Amino acid sequence: NAGVTQTPKFQVLKTGQSMTLQCAQDMNHNSMYWYRQDPGMGLRLIYYSASEGTTDKGEVPNGYNVSRLNKREFSLRLESAAPSQTSVYFCASSEGFGQVSYEQYFGPGTRLTVT
Amino acid sequence: SQQGEEDPQALSIQEGENATMNCSYKTSINNLQWYRQNSGRGLVHLILIRSNEREKHSGRLRVTLDTSKKSSSLLITASRAADTASYFCATMRDSNYQLIWGAGTKLIIKP
Repeated sequence: NAGVTQTPKFQVLKTGQSMTLQCAQDMNHNSMYWYRQDPGMGLRLIYYSASEGTTDKGEVPNGYNVSRLNKREFSLRLESAAPSQTSVYFCASSEGFGQVSYEQYFGPGTRLTVT
Repeated sequence: SQQGEEDPQALSIQEGENATMNCSYKTSINNLQWYRQNSGRGLVHLILIRSNEREKHSGRLRVTLDTSKKSSSLLITASRAADTASYFCATMRDSNYQLIWGAGTKLIIKP
């Protein structure tokens, strides 16, 4: 089992360009998440999908869109990249979402630089 | 907005010593989780403690939770070089079940 995979590992964009970050999990998890990690800060939730067919905003959704393509895949799109979106992006998944406590499983991250 | 705040920001100890990291938070929680991140890698779940639990053990890890003080501590006993990593606490809000993360403690184990 690969767990959570992300592509690409590294990306450099110019301001205004668009791109999609891909994430897939093979653990049959219901819930998936996109976070960004900036130096000296904890992870911040961008969007999440509690179950297939649903997506919700997290703490910092502006400038991003997501698609839960199927149960396995959850993509993050930057429509018009800005330097403030330079960050490391992590995808995560969990068995479920809600009052029952679930741990999250993380991908290796995508390091994005916007110039 | 960040809920969890780890203390210290950085910790350097000799191999074999114990390492203690603390996490404080602000609002009511469902559970608190600790994760480890090796340099340049994704995060790995270590331990989860629910709001009605006070202490939990997993191997060399011991986590305590004091909901009255809104704080938690992670103790790593008999540290090893492989424990060198950043450690993050994350609290799950009762209101929306999202994880809110602290900025982490960078732990260095000197051989």
